[in-house]
Amino acid sequence: KNQVEQSPQSLIILEGKNCTLQCNYTVSPFSNLRWYKQDTGRGPVSLTIMTFSENTKSNGRYTATLDADTKQSSLHITASQLSDSASYICVVSSGRSYIPTFGRGTSLIVHP
Amino acid sequence: DVKVTQSSRYLVKRTGEKVFLECVQDMDHENMFWYRQDPGLGLRLIYFSYDVKMKEKGDIPEGYSVSREKKERFSLILESASTNQTSMYLCASTPDRAPPNYGYTFGSGTRLTVV
Repeated sequence: KNQVEQSPQSLIILEGKNCTLQCNYTVSPFSNLRWYKQDTGRGPVSLTIMTFSENTKSNGRYTATLDADTKQSSLHITASQLSDSASYICVVSSGRSYIPTFGRGTSLIVHP
Repeated sequence: DVKVTQSSRYLVKRTGEKVFLECVQDMDHENMFWYRQDPGLGLRLIYFSYDVKMKEKGDIPEGYSVSREKKERFSLILESASTNQTSMYLCASTPDRAPPNYGYTFGSGTRLTVV
């Protein structure tokens, strides 16, 4: 069964600090992995997408990595800001279905 | 940009009421989806549709139905609302035969409370 596991479930950091969120998956065959940011009370918005051949992709202060061999991805946030407080969801798509598998998300709180 | 619009941000309904959640997308996408999102459980697929008047059950269809009379509109119906259907409901769409790196576009969500 396809699964996506995210850790930690929640994280609290101080403004200006860096953090890293983890995503492990067992989706097969792998097509792509996407990180979404979801602000409280809003729908998820895509941050990055990575395909099999990519191992790093950046979007401003967000950097995603992918290790397709170990089936792991990470999302690194640099110099965190209060606006980074949100839920971050890892979503993995299979080549067999247009319905992806969602992780349960990591809730990040950035304190001043 | 693709826009997916959910008609209500917040709804409060009484137990037993029939509830309609509306979703409209403006980019001629074939595929539309309804998810519910609960703390600790993530997003769970209720129903999806890949064409007008077509529908498929997702992982948790019990207590819900859907309607897709027009391509741009996908409605989620709670036939008789219950308190365990209190949740955040998210609509999403994608085009048919999307390239592998084409993801979902989500609406802003409807926070439904059943009292």
